[in-house]
Amino acid sequence: GAVVSQHPSWVICKSGTSVKIECRSLDFQATTMFWYRQFPKQSLMLMATSNEGSKATYEQGVEKDKFLINHASLTLSTLTVTSAHPEDSSFYICSAKRAGGPYEQYFGPGTRLTVT
Amino acid sequence: AQTVTQSQPEMSVQEAETVTLSCTYDTSESDYYLFWYKQPPSRQMILVIRQEAYKQQNATENRFSVNFQKAAKSFSLKISDSQLGDAAMYFCAYIRGAQKLVFGQGTRLTINP
Repeated sequence: GAVVSQHPSWVICKSGTSVKIECRSLDFQATTMFWYRQFPKQSLMLMATSNEGSKATYEQGVEKDKFLINHASLTLSTLTVTSAHPEDSSFYICSAKRAGGPYEQYFGPGTRLTVT
Repeated sequence: AQTVTQSQPEMSVQEAETVTLSCTYDTSESDYYLFWYKQPPSRQMILVIRQEAYKQQNATENRFSVNFQKAAKSFSLKISDSQLGDAAMYFCAYIRGAQKLVFGQGTRLTINP
């Protein structure tokens, strides 16, 4: 159990367009989901924490108007990169914390975004 | 703020040998959790092992074990009988309660056949 999916796994978009990445918990309810960004050969950098039904909490330095996060249900969170630019190209990973669970996060397989 | 430090950017080991990855952390809390995650070339994060700080006994999962030294704030991972499939980035991580996971910088492990 505790499977998290992400869609798409790889997306290429043109500069100036927006792209949406979905994160779903497939077999459990997730009150909290997290979005990370990972540059090549680096660690995961937390971008934001989203709680179902409320506004996301963004980490310092993350542009909330560029990276829109919506957590509309207990199984789905979305990250929309608005007006994407080449510097937004990266690997984006989501994780989910089980409702009622103490601490453990379950990670999705990640989404590779390439902005041309 | 809590920090996690992995001082070994890269490690290599011969297949079937044992390797130890180091991790130190800084916290003033007494109740927390520590993890080792594996990120293979697929980039899927996989939980290798977890340790609750209140437990004195070191966690073990098959060929993976930890050496948890709470006073020294050290949390090393030992991989026994290394296999080619163990090649990956390994991240040490800390969490307390409902706070966010704090990751180390990672250690790239290479297995030599």
